[in-house]
Amino acid sequence: GENVEQHPSTLSVQEGDSAVIKCTYSDSASNYFPWYKQELGKGPQLIIDIRSNVGEKKDQRIAVTLNKTAKHFSLHITETQPEDSAVYFCAAARSNDYKLSFGAGTTVTVRA
Amino acid sequence: DTEVTQTPKHLVMGMTNKKSLKCEQHMGHRAMYWYKQKAKKPPELMFVYSYEKLSINESVPSRFSPECPNSSLLNLHLHALQPEDSALYLCASSQGQGARDEQYFGPGTRLTVT
Repeated sequence: GENVEQHPSTLSVQEGDSAVIKCTYSDSASNYFPWYKQELGKGPQLIIDIRSNVGEKKDQRIAVTLNKTAKHFSLHITETQPEDSAVYFCAAARSNDYKLSFGAGTTVTVRA
Repeated sequence: DTEVTQTPKHLVMGMTNKKSLKCEQHMGHRAMYWYKQKAKKPPELMFVYSYEKLSINESVPSRFSPECPNSSLLNLHLHALQPEDSALYLCASSQGQGARDEQYFGPGTRLTVT
């Protein structure tokens, strides 16, 4: 089955700086890569996703890059704000499969 | 309305109790999911319903029994649970089948088994 590794497990950044989280996956057939943000006391929320026919995708301060050859993808958050503090999970899946394989999560803390 | 609601928010039950968790969505989604999430861990898939039929059971013990009465509702019946079953139980839904459709998660039910 798919194995997703996520690094770092914790990340502390100064407000206004950038944050980068990296994930690697093992199943070369995976072609859908979502990122979820989970705030305390809430369920995960999709913040951005990328499919294997695209190398990069941006949405305001958030961007995701995908390198299919190396089997890794990354989340970039620019101009971080205190409300970006949360746990972030990457995931990988085959688009015709229900099951998302999640990374272990990254706890991001933005210092004011 | 892009909301998945779950009740109750918190539940404490003894090992001999029977209880149920409820999940509801009104987005017209045809796939619904139960996940279990332990502290500081990612969600683990338990069950998937597609068009009101159980399509995936991730080898979950029979003390957890899912039910999908209609396309908007999903229940998880609990019986004879163990303390290690204490966790956050998340419900999610998506438009159709496959990971290509965004999964919307509810806030979860925090379950404590004593």
